Amino acid sequence: DIVLTQTPLSSPVTLGQPASISCRSSQSLVHSDGNTYLSWLQQRPGQPPRLLIYKISHRVSGVPDRFSGSGAGTDFTLKISRVEAEDVAVYYCMQATHQRTFGQGTKVEIK
Amino acid sequence: QVQLQEWGPGLVEPSGTLSLTCVVSGGSISTINWWSWVRQPPGKRLEWIGEIYHTGSTNYNPSFKSRVTMSVDQSKNQVSLKLNSVTAADTAVYYCARDPGGTYMGGSFDIWGQGTMVTVSS
Repeated sequence: DIVLTQTPLSSPVTLGQPASISCRSSQSLVHSDGNTYLSWLQQRPGQPPRLLIYKISHRVSGVPDRFSGSGAGTDFTLKISRVEAEDVAVYYCMQATHQRTFGQGTKVEIK
Repeated sequence: QVQLQEWGPGLVEPSGTLSLTCVVSGGSISTINWWSWVRQPPGKRLEWIGEIYHTGSTNYNPSFKSRVTMSVDQSKNQVSLKLNSVTAADTAVYYCARDPGGTYMGGSFDIWGQGTMVTVSS
């Protein structure tokens, strides 16, 4: 099984300041078709997850451009350039290269 | 706009069978999409259970393979989940989610249902 490890588990951030979340995989997420199926999801309290970014860095339509994804192989990052109040949520990385697994989640909260 | 809605019993007895249905509205189930079930035990990470295609083809998480059955009913535009021999560890919010397939957004879950809480208890 592929294990995704997120750091930090909690990220207190001042409004308007950046936030960064790391997701490290126990194996390379490069698929035999050449794609890397690493996505990022946002889960606000009491809500289902919402897809933000797919295939490392492709932002879903309607997602603010302050969210960006990067990385390759086994190391990936989600960045929020300027945190807003509505960004308070738990963020998960998910891989779909080998079955499907999720990171343990990172809680972004306002300091 | 495609929407997903899960429904089923909120309480299941230990050793019983958990049965849930996900109704797809606003679009046909018979497309290139794969339909997954994902669960989230209280305070824990999301866990993928498996997926089904409209033809009935399935892929299951090996952790559940001996206990899980997924099915599709194209006439009702819905997919179903059955999980046998449940224990308290199966208590969770259960979600259905769509993988749009294809070369564009395939390999991601772009639409999620609201989820349904299932408690395993006598």
